[in-house]
Amino acid sequence: GQNIDQPTEMTATEGAIVQINCTYQTSGFNGLFWYQQHAGEAPTFLSYNVLDGLEEKGRFSSFLSRSKGYSYLLLKELQMKDSASYLCAVVDSNYQLIWGAGTKLIIKP
Amino acid sequence: GAVVSQHPSRVICKSGTSVKIECRSLDFQATTMFWYRQFPKQSLMLMATSNEGSKATYEQGVEKDKFLINHASLTLSTLTVTSAHPEDSSFYICSADRDRGEQYFGPGTRLTVT
Repeated sequence: GQNIDQPTEMTATEGAIVQINCTYQTSGFNGLFWYQQHAGEAPTFLSYNVLDGLEEKGRFSSFLSRSKGYSYLLLKELQMKDSASYLCAVVDSNYQLIWGAGTKLIIKP
Repeated sequence: GAVVSQHPSRVICKSGTSVKIECRSLDFQATTMFWYRQFPKQSLMLMATSNEGSKATYEQGVEKDKFLINHASLTLSTLTVTSAHPEDSSFYICSADRDRGEQYFGPGTRLTVT
């Protein structure tokens, strides 16, 4: 079967750095997305990785290792507004999106 | 965890026909469901917010007469693409909003219009 694993919840301190991991087992791979979603709102796109390596975009970076079936989202200089759920989603060989359940990130002052 | 299903997972239709996509929350009631479309390697684009028992709220640029949404019960929302054209070919994803504002996504429906 196809599976995406993320931690259910993480807590971090304002100003710190946090890494949210995502591991996947899917039938084929055509890219991996990270989304941010605040409670009651639609998810917003953060990053897309299809090749191995690190993609940096401001305070957020996303890393992919296809051989390990692994990705992480790195958030630096955490702000209170970063409190949200972070969704990992993989595009499989049929271009179907396989979603992780999301990681709820709680930022404490 | 909460489960959301979509049916069909894939559909191919001819230009000019209509296609209905169902979104069901299987183990919880959802007063709000969202419909998204996504082109390959692009982000989700919110099309509309579907509220049980009331009219859907459409995002700017989304034709409400073309994309008909019905949220007749707390576990079912449907999206009907009317008079489909090849440019409507896309990946349509729904999500269901559980209480506390958490959203759970369906697996998506790939629509191909020939």
